[in-house]
Amino acid sequence: DAGVTQSPTHLIKTRGQHVTLRCSPISGHKSVSWYQQVLGQGPQFIFQYYEKEERGRGNFPDRFSARQFPNYSSELNVNALLLGDSALYLCASSFNPLMNTEAFFGQGTRLTVV
Amino acid sequence: AQSVTQLDSQVPVFEEAPVELRCNYSSSVSVYLFWYVQYPNQGLQLLLKYLSGSTLVKGINGFEAEFNKSQTSFHLRKPSVHISDTAEYFCAVSDPQGAQKLVFGQGTRLTINP
Repeated sequence: DAGVTQSPTHLIKTRGQHVTLRCSPISGHKSVSWYQQVLGQGPQFIFQYYEKEERGRGNFPDRFSARQFPNYSSELNVNALLLGDSALYLCASSFNPLMNTEAFFGQGTRLTVV
Repeated sequence: AQSVTQLDSQVPVFEEAPVELRCNYSSSVSVYLFWYVQYPNQGLQLLLKYLSGSTLVKGINGFEAEFNKSQTSFHLRKPSVHISDTAEYFCAVSDPQGAQKLVFGQGTRLTINP
């Protein structure tokens, strides 16, 4: 079985641009969460989606948005990129977060803003 | 609000020596506790978790952790480490009533020396 897949693995953007990151959960998983991991720090929660509805939002500006599609894949969008948005963006999927089933993480997308 | 403090940013040990990585948490409610490992350029892998029941939790790769409610700690231990254990280790908490939003510590870099 494929694990959580994220694309792209790396990308470089310029300040002010927009970026879209993609995540495909493990087959059968209905929840996707997004985390931002700045170099040298622990991951910080951005969003959680379950059954295509937003179930949680972290302390991030409105420039960050996300959505979940009918096939449970997800996109994270970031507008008006800042240098401080440079980070590893991690996606995690789980079967049912309300039952605290294990969250499985993808390998992440390394975003560099220049 | 919940928070996690990992008391050591770096822990160097010799191969086959025991190791303890310390984690303290702060929460006004009961919590679920987790340890994740992150190898270079990879996502996070769950080592073990405490949801309820026995306070001594055994995980993968020979790791174990003990939940101490009075000291609000969840320290990770391994009796004998290997070179392959070199990685970043993250302690995390979540609210059982929430939807699996993980709050991570800053991480501890475990370096195994031959």
